[in-house]
Amino acid sequence: GDSVTQMEGPVTLSEEAFLTINCTYTATGYPSLFWYVQYPGEGLQLLLKATKADDKGSNKGFEATYRKETTSFHLEKGSVQVSDSAVYFCALKRDYKLSFGAGTTVTVRA
Amino acid sequence: GAVVSQHPSWVICKSGTSVKIECRSLDFQATTMFWYRQFPKQSLMLMATSNEGSKATYEQGVEKDKFLINHASLTLSTLTVTSAHPEDSSFYICSALPIQGSYEQYFGPGTRLTVT
Repeated sequence: GDSVTQMEGPVTLSEEAFLTINCTYTATGYPSLFWYVQYPGEGLQLLLKATKADDKGSNKGFEATYRKETTSFHLEKGSVQVSDSAVYFCALKRDYKLSFGAGTTVTVRA
Repeated sequence: GAVVSQHPSWVICKSGTSVKIECRSLDFQATTMFWYRQFPKQSLMLMATSNEGSKATYEQGVEKDKFLINHASLTLSTLTVTSAHPEDSSFYICSALPIQGSYEQYFGPGTRLTVT
């Protein structure tokens, strides 16, 4: 079945550092890929998505590219801020069902 | 917009009792809501798909008689954990799929259940 594997955390960074969170998936066909973010005390929010190979999703300075050849969807941000501290989830969608990775906790220190 | 609430946010109950968790879409209607379960440091696992006016669809391995789901209106779905046991302690998260607009799910903040 479908599955998502993402980098284990926690990850602690200084402000303005570069952030990468690795995500790989196992699925048949070509599912849509997502990154969700969960800020403390809030529900998961869609951060970005890509629906087909080589698509790049981007939002709030974050980017991820759908790589079919490596079955990956790594999340990157060039310069993080304290407000980016959150838990990040990689996910894939088939029909309306989402399959999630375990989540990566990111803490950005001033 | 597109806010989903859950109530309660945190609940403790004794083993053998039942507890009900509500999931509401506050500013949109949803014919479909989803219930997830999350263990510490693990991913969200889909438990069931809740459809307004019809029976829920449960994922393989989820006991439908233990996790009762009722989607009585276009803005409310409830999950009742019946005869709860300590192994049911977990974080339960719901999401809602709007009738109109994007095809993305909007998530509630989750409910922490502790069974003693």
